[in-house]
Amino acid sequence: GENVEQHPSTLSVQEGDSAVIKCTYSDSASNYFPWYKQELGKRPQLIIDIRSNVGEKKDQRIAVTLNKTAKHFSLHITETQPEDSAVYFCAATPLRGYNKLIFGAGTRLAVHP
Amino acid sequence: DGGITQSPKYLFRKEGQNVTLSCEQNLNHDAMYWYRQDPGQGLRLIYYSQIVNDFQKGDIAEGYSVSREKKESFPLTVTSAQKNPTAFYLCASSMGQGPPDTQYFGPGTRLTVL
Repeated sequence: GENVEQHPSTLSVQEGDSAVIKCTYSDSASNYFPWYKQELGKRPQLIIDIRSNVGEKKDQRIAVTLNKTAKHFSLHITETQPEDSAVYFCAATPLRGYNKLIFGAGTRLAVHP
Repeated sequence: DGGITQSPKYLFRKEGQNVTLSCEQNLNHDAMYWYRQDPGQGLRLIYYSQIVNDFQKGDIAEGYSVSREKKESFPLTVTSAQKNPTAFYLCASSMGQGPPDTQYFGPGTRLTVL
């Protein structure tokens, strides 16, 4: 069935360093890839998304890249800050049920001052 | 996502009881969703509804039931048939107009079985 794999499960960086989280999806027909940030005990919040007709998208310190051939997409956070510490989830739309989302298992990012 | 509310924030249930979790949105969204989140895991889809009076099972629908009688409301009932219901439950909504279809989440309900 449809599947999204996310790596790493935990990531620890020093403040100011960059962080990269990678996801691989199984359904080649997927065409929408959002990223959510979830702080402890809170709701997931959309931080950036990308459509399949775009290879890269940036929003200040956050960027997402998409490689449709390899079926993987990545989240890049530059100049990390302690407030970036959270769990990050990637997701993809499967072929069946186009407004459904299949989520990765999440990456716990810790940014140390 | 301030337009999606869930209640209660915390819920305690005795074994064998049914409980209903509330989800309301005032965003005029057509589609609504229920997810379950267990510690250290991603979000798993329980049920979703693309329009009033219609809903579909997600990946883990067993032991749960829903209704969609009004556009703004999508309550989830956790029945006694759900063997391990302790989890964080998240409701979401989207415009439902087709990809991309951004989902916005409510604040969640934490259910604990005593």
